[in-house]
Order: sequence, then structure tokens, then C-alpha cells
Amino acid sequence: QQQVRQSPQSLTVWEGETAILNCSYEDSTFNYFPWYQQFPGEGPALLISISSVSDKKEDGRFTIFFNKREKKLSLHITDSQPGDSATYFCAASARNNNNRIFFGDGTQLVVKP
Amino acid sequence: EAAVTQSPRNKVTVTGGNVTLSCRQTNSHNYMYWYRQDTGHGLRLIHYSYGAGNLQIGDVPDGYKATRTTQEDFFLLLELASPSQTSLYFCASSATGGLNTGQLYFGEGSKLTVL
Repeated sequence: QQQVRQSPQSLTVWEGETAILNCSYEDSTFNYFPWYQQFPGEGPALLISISSVSDKKEDGRFTIFFNKREKKLSLHITDSQPGDSATYFCAASARNNNNRIFFGDGTQLVVKP
Repeated sequence: EAAVTQSPRNKVTVTGGNVTLSCRQTNSHNYMYWYRQDTGHGLRLIHYSYGAGNLQIGDVPDGYKATRTTQEDFFLLLELASPSQTSLYFCASSATGGLNTGQLYFGEGSKLTVL
């Protein structure tokens, strides 16, 4: 059973629009949710993260919205730029989960100029 | 900035061949991981380790062995490579094992092709 699910698989937006990437999870003990950004030819890198005690985390143009009751979260990228074109991975972990991070399958974002 | 170095970056072998992928991190991190990345499957954990001599099984371990010789070095071994193991492999490290404040630092990947 996949622990972390992402949608859509791919997303295309125009420059300046807001891109919304969705994520849901199964395990209610998950309490830490990082998002990783991966450019072609590179390894993923941490973009932004949120803990389950918060419902929102902002970092510049990137915002995570978290709904604990529904076990859902989303990453909003406002004023999208062509340089934001990348694959975005939602991940989840729990303190008592043998140090495991579970990754979703990723959303491939294309921002058209 | 955390540094994780993988080698080789590209490898081509034949079915039944032996392959060793190497990973070195220079940040004194306790945890190291091997992932494979395939289209439609995201990142799948093969093996991980929380210290020299330690090995933990991930989600897709079949056909893979791993060995953590030092705190810095983590190796992934394919002793009888098969075409299904053609993939992009990533090594990662973290200081706290990925718990709450733990951040994974990834290498640049090793592309393996098994003919």
C-alpha cells in the first residue's frame, strides 16, 4: 500500500500563474512532511517542510497547506517561473517509524514562459 | 553544504554482470540510503544504514546487497545484474535518520543500464 500519493502526475502552468501540487498520506502517525525539488540531471533537494502541528508554512513563493483531519497537504507555487520547472516530491515520516521517510511518486511541473 | 558523491555516474553492464555503486558523504552523517528512481515509481528505498557495519532493508531489496564500511562510505552491490535493474540510483545521507528535523542530502545519481 502506497503511503504517500501525489497528484497530478504532471502539471503545466503559464509563467505568473499559481501551481498547486497535491499530496495525501495514509499513516496518521506521520508528523513531518518535507517537499523535495528535483531538476533534470540532479538529485532531489529539500525545498520546504512542515510539521503536523502547523497548518501552513510559507517560504517566499512556496507555501504548504496542511489538513491533518483529511490527511492531505498541498504545495502552492505563486507567480510561477520557468526556473521552477522540476519534479516535486512530497514525503512523510513519523518519529516512531524506524527512521523512514516515505516518498510520493512526484509531480512533474512545467512552467511555460 | 552537505556533500554526497556517487560513482560511477554512468555504468553499462550486461545481464549477469557484477556492479558496485559507491557513495561517500563527508558530513559525518549517521544515516545513509540507497534509492532507485524510475518513471512512474518515484523514489524507492533499497537499503539504508545508520552506521558503519549496520544495514537495514528497504522496500525493494531483492537483487541488491549493500555494505557500510565506514561512516563515510556506503556501497550498493548487484551481483547478477538483470535488465529490470536498469535505473537511476541515488545515494542520500542525513544526520538524524529523517526524523522530524532530519534532511536528506542526495548525491547526483548513478545511471545504470543492464543490457
